[in-house]
Amino acid sequence: DAGVTQSPTHLIKTRGQQVTLRCSPKSGHDTVSWYQQALGQGPQFIFQYYEEEERQRGNFPDRFSGHQFPNYSSELNVNALLLGDSALYLCASSLIAPQETQYFGPGTRLLVL
Amino acid sequence: AQSVTQPDIHITVSEGASLELRCNYSYGATPYLFWYVQSPGQGLQLLLKYFSGDTLVQGIKGFEAEFKRSQSSFNLRKPSVHWSDAAEYFCAVGAIRTGANNLFFGTGTRLTVIP
Repeated sequence: DAGVTQSPTHLIKTRGQQVTLRCSPKSGHDTVSWYQQALGQGPQFIFQYYEEEERQRGNFPDRFSGHQFPNYSSELNVNALLLGDSALYLCASSLIAPQETQYFGPGTRLLVL
Repeated sequence: AQSVTQPDIHITVSEGASLELRCNYSYGATPYLFWYVQSPGQGLQLLLKYFSGDTLVQGIKGFEAEFKRSQSSFNLRKPSVHWSDAAEYFCAVGAIRTGANNLFFGTGTRLTVIP
């Protein structure tokens, strides 16, 4: 049983560009959450998708958008990249109930030059 | 608003010694609490979680944590540390009020284990 997978593992972009990160949830999970982890910091919640809709959003600008597909996989899109967007982007999957454990993928390391 | 404080940025212990990592939370109701571990270049792995019931929670790899409501704390402990425990440890609180289950993390504690 595959766990949460993310692609690509690493990415280098320049300021102003756009990027798309992808996530496949653990088998049986219907909810995908995205987190940003800056160097030396804890993960910060970006948003959560359930039933193909954004269910909850953290304190991130509209440049950050997402999508969930019918097979529960998800994409994170970031437009107009800034240097400060350089971080490890983590995807987590779970069932929707609050007590359900979130399982994290290995992350995508994004570097913005 | 919910928040998590991990007061120790970096802790160094000798292999075989005991370990306690501190976590304090702020939340307006009974919290869902978690401890995750992150090895270099890796994602997060769940060590243990607390929802209700027994305030002493057992996790994987010999870790345990105790929920103390009066102190708003959820400290992680291990009686004897192994070199493989060197990693970054994150405490998190679940935002159950929103109906979602997103997590709020502390800034982490880096554990170094010396032989």
